[in-house]
Amino acid sequence: TQLLEQSPQFLSIQEGENLTVYCNSSSVFSSLQWYRQEPGEGPVLLVTVVTGGEVKKLKRLTFQFGDARKDSSLHITAAQPGDTGLYLCAGARNTGNQFYFGTGTSLTVIP
Amino acid sequence: DAGITQSPRHKVTETGTPVTLRCHQTENHRYMYWYRQDPGHGLRLIHYSYGVKDTDKGEVSDGYSVSRSKTEDFLLTLESATSSQTSVYFCAISPGGSTDTQYFGPGTRLTVL
Repeated sequence: TQLLEQSPQFLSIQEGENLTVYCNSSSVFSSLQWYRQEPGEGPVLLVTVVTGGEVKKLKRLTFQFGDARKDSSLHITAAQPGDTGLYLCAGARNTGNQFYFGTGTSLTVIP
Repeated sequence: DAGITQSPRHKVTETGTPVTLRCHQTENHRYMYWYRQDPGHGLRLIHYSYGVKDTDKGEVSDGYSVSRSKTEDFLLTLESATSSQTSVYFCAISPGGSTDTQYFGPGTRLTVL
């Protein structure tokens, strides 16, 4: 059983639509990161959130950390084909320097 | 891009043979990590290192060992490879701390027959 569960696992949408990806846990995290991974490559960091309730925006992407620091969401506005990829959340606990990755959400944006 | 390489990039081996994967960095980062990636599981931590000769286990460490004799190199060894260890292995580096960025290598695709 993984510490972080993401939903949905797969998402296929048309260009221009909005979407939200969820990352949930029953555990508290000191920080939470979102990564994007393209086929054949390693994940690349998009954002780090550290404060409960924190909202960060990166162009058309909006990230939110839950008030209790147990969950997070990624919202994409007006999705574009370039947004296609695997989105991964990763949480760090208060102790140690281990990162726990979510199960991943595979997004396909159809032109 | 962070200076991180993995070798080999692809490997096919037989059950029962030992396998060593290498991660090399030129960034002088303190932390190095080995993950495996399997469909439906995202990335799972195998082992990590917080300094030369300082290592600790991750979520899925059984059947794996690591060594770090120099800051720049982190080796992952499968002592006796099994088919369940067929996966894509990623190395990551980080300056340290739970809010720091992890920079990932390109991955090694390992197939155990």
